[in-house]
Amino acid sequence: QTVVTQEPSLTVSPGGTVTLTCASSTGAVTSDYHPNWFQQKPGHAPRSLIYSTNNKYSWTPARFSGSLLGVKAALTLSGVQPEDEGDYYCLLSHGGAWVFGGGTKLTVL
Amino acid sequence: QVQLQESGPGLVNPWGTLSLTCAVSGGSISDEYWWNWVRRPPGKGLEWIGEMHHSGGTNQNPSLKRRLTISVDKSKNQFSLSLTSVTAADTAVYYCVRGGFWAFDIWGQGTMVTVSS
Repeated sequence: QTVVTQEPSLTVSPGGTVTLTCASSTGAVTSDYHPNWFQQKPGHAPRSLIYSTNNKYSWTPARFSGSLLGVKAALTLSGVQPEDEGDYYCLLSHGGAWVFGGGTKLTVL
Repeated sequence: QVQLQESGPGLVNPWGTLSLTCAVSGGSISDEYWWNWVRRPPGKGLEWIGEMHHSGGTNQNPSLKRRLTISVDKSKNQFSLSLTSVTAADTAVYYCVRGGFWAFDIWGQGTMVTVSS
């Protein structure tokens, strides 16, 4: 069973920069895994932020960016805003099936 | 713009069948997308359930495959989820999601399903 691992929690100061990562138990994450990133706040549906490693939607704020960092996928927030607090999930393609990471709870403090 | 709306019973008996429908508005289910189901159990993270293309192609979470059916109804412009032999572990908020071209762009608002007698 494939396991996708994210940092359980991170804390960042307003205006700061933070990087969230996403690793696969199957090995190094490459562009073939088509990493997606989502933000979810309590009581709301997830909001899509990044698709296929580093592609943004029309609604994705410029301060969010996706990349590959070593053997992991990464989501970087630059100039963090208080409204960025929430849960963040990555999603990886594994041979026809998709697997979510366990999520990262981001606190802006 | 395209919108998705889940519907179905909010309470299901243990060992019964969970059935949900997602209505697609503002677009056609026959467009070149994959129609997904995702859930989030209370206190846990998101779990991908499975997806279906209007042509009949499907992909499913291996851990749910034995109990899972996803179908598309082109005449009603909707797709459905059926999960059999449910237990408390299937209690979750269920979301329908439009996917395709390696993206998951449009989400329904979600519907809470509780498995309990």
